[in-house]
Amino acid sequence: LAKTTQPISMDSYEGQEVNITCSHNNIATNDYITWYQQFPSQGPRFIIQGYKTKVTNEVASLFIPADRKSSTLSLPRVSLSDTAVYYCLVGGPDTGRRALTFGSGTRLQVQP
Amino acid sequence: EPEVTQTPSHQVTQMGQEVILRCVPISNHLYFYWYRQILGQKVEFLVSFYNNEISEKSEIFDDQFSVERPDGSNFTLKIRSTKLEDSAMYFCASSESGGNRGYTFGSGTRLTVV
Repeated sequence: LAKTTQPISMDSYEGQEVNITCSHNNIATNDYITWYQQFPSQGPRFIIQGYKTKVTNEVASLFIPADRKSSTLSLPRVSLSDTAVYYCLVGGPDTGRRALTFGSGTRLQVQP
Repeated sequence: EPEVTQTPSHQVTQMGQEVILRCVPISNHLYFYWYRQILGQKVEFLVSFYNNEISEKSEIFDDQFSVERPDGSNFTLKIRSTKLEDSAMYFCASSESGGNRGYTFGSGTRLTVV
């Protein structure tokens, strides 16, 4: 699995847009990029997955440049309830049959 | 939205005792997993299970651990002779296709070994 690097922590205020960038220089051709969110004392929750360009769902957008060596999770108009740890994972389509490797993630703190 | 259900939410056990953590995966999912997270540390993979057998296991998943799908709905993690360092949150997860899209994790069992 490709190694990922993301900021340890970020602070924001309610109503702001938050962008969390993940670096994955060694991403393989068939790797997908997946983001999970984890609240304290809860299991990680799947947010979004993408392969290239832009993916958007009801929760977030994921921007992936052409070289795919990084990706940015964008959370529009965050609220206090978005305070959580966000994990960027990179892996091929068969990684569901193998381990997910979580890094330390980015701890997002949203303030009023 | 379908959920992965874990019981109990919190278990306290004495060192050396056996514990069984229970999970009910999403009904049409085929792949099942256990992860753990020691307080303040990363989420760590323990084991994956498919077609009634272990697909992959980590170095953490030694002979002390075992998994079972005793019926069509439950998926259990047994820890024999618990140690203090087994204290952690244990998360069960399931996925439908086996791809890393759409893993669904449960809310976890907090295991405290005293």
